Amino acid sequence: AQSVSQHNHHVILSEAASLELGCNYSYGGTVNLFWYVQYPGQHLQLLLKYFSGDPLVKGIKGFEAEFIKSKFSFNLRKPSVQWSDTAEYFCAVNAVSSNTGKLIFGQGTTLQVKP
Amino acid sequence: EPEVTQTPSHQVTQMGQEVILRCVPISNHLYFYWYRQILGQKVEFLVSFYNNEISEKSEIFDDQFSVERPDGSNFTLKIRSTKLEDSAMYFCASSGETGTGSYEQYFGPGTRLTVT
Repeated sequence: AQSVSQHNHHVILSEAASLELGCNYSYGGTVNLFWYVQYPGQHLQLLLKYFSGDPLVKGIKGFEAEFIKSKFSFNLRKPSVQWSDTAEYFCAVNAVSSNTGKLIFGQGTTLQVKP
Repeated sequence: EPEVTQTPSHQVTQMGQEVILRCVPISNHLYFYWYRQILGQKVEFLVSFYNNEISEKSEIFDDQFSVERPDGSNFTLKIRSTKLEDSAMYFCASSGETGTGSYEQYFGPGTRLTVT
């Protein structure tokens, strides 16, 4: 069965620090990969996605993620975080072969940025 | 920007009662989904719906659950006889098919269901 693992449950950073959130998945076939963000009191929003092509993808608000197929990883990065990045971050995977769009989510990482 | 909406935002119900959670997906989308998140746990897939039928469902989605698209705009999740363990945040999502056949899902704000 497919699964997604996010290494960090709770991350605390100071403003301007660099961020890397780990995400690994288990599935042998072709996948689409996503990072979603949920700001306090708001709904899940797409940060970035990888379908194919360049494994380094750029999303909104200065976030980027790199797909490393050999490591089954899709880590999220941002060079300099801001207080407004405080949120919960979810990695999600869709198996292309399923043809239904079903997303499997990681358990989420809570990011707290101190001003 | 178009968005997915859900009503109600919070529903409290007694165990054994039926509840209907409502969603209005983005108007030109073709695929519809329900997910749930029990407090402190992962977001879990429940069901996907396309062309007026269920395309995939999870083990959670047993006979107590059903989905319907009663008209051109609404997408509902019904729980026939609620249990305490159904208490969760329920998210609706929709997506359209891109040229590559890949999916980007847009989520609603969620309905918090509390079963007492």
